[in-house]
Amino acid sequence: KQEVTQIPAALSVPEGENLVLNCSFTDSAIYNLQWFRQDPGKGLTSLLLIQSSQREQTSGRLNASLDKSSGRSTLYIAASQPGDSATYLCAVLSGGGADGLTFGKGTHLIIQP
Amino acid sequence: DGGITQSPKYLFRKEGQNVTLSCEQNLNHDAMYWYRQDPGQGLRLIYYSQIVNDFQKGDIAEGYSVSREKKESFPLTVTSAQKNPTAFYLCASSIGGQGENTEAFFGQGTRLTVV
Repeated sequence: KQEVTQIPAALSVPEGENLVLNCSFTDSAIYNLQWFRQDPGKGLTSLLLIQSSQREQTSGRLNASLDKSSGRSTLYIAASQPGDSATYLCAVLSGGGADGLTFGKGTHLIIQP
Repeated sequence: DGGITQSPKYLFRKEGQNVTLSCEQNLNHDAMYWYRQDPGQGLRLIYYSQIVNDFQKGDIAEGYSVSREKKESFPLTVTSAQKNPTAFYLCASSIGGQGENTEAFFGQGTRLTVV
C-alpha cells in the first residue's frame, strides 16, 4: 500500500529565505504527484502537478522536483513571504488498481515578517 | 465561476442523526471523491465515483453512504453508524481515470461537529 511522508512536519523561517519541503513515497509506480496548499479552515488549492515522466515543474516562486526512482519530491519556495504561511500537502496518484490520491500529513509553514 | 461547491460550510449533528453533505461541480469532470481530514492524520478517502451511477468504497467507508445520480453531484450521507463523525470533509473531482494528466481539484470543505 502506498505511503506518503512529509518532512518536516512544521517549519518557521524569516521572511525572504528560500526553503525546501520534502515528500517521499514508498511505491514508485505513480502516475503523478501534486503539491497543494491549505489555509486554516479552507479547502486545498492545487499548486503544481508533476507527471511521472517529468522531472520538475515551476510556477512563479515555486519549483517542484520529482525523482520517481528514489520515491522523492521537493517543493522549493524562493524568497518566502508572510502570505506563504499555510500547510503544504503532497499527494500521489498511484497505479496498481488504487483510486484517488494518497496524501502526506503536510508541512505547516510559518513565515515570520 | 468554474469549480467545486460544498455546502454547508458548517454542520452540526445530534447523536443518532443522519446528515447529508452536498458537493456540486461544474468542471464537467467524470470522477468525484470524498475525503475526511482529522488533525494529525492527513486526508483519508471515504468514497469515490468514476462515472454516474457507480461508486466505490475507499479506505474508511463504514458509516457513510453516497449516491451519484448526476455527473455534477456527489452527496455524502454521514449515518448514525459513524461513531466518530466530527471532522473536516473535503470533496474533490478530476477528469477521471489514472493518467499523468489526472489533476484533482478540491472544494472549500464542510466542518461537521457532533453536539
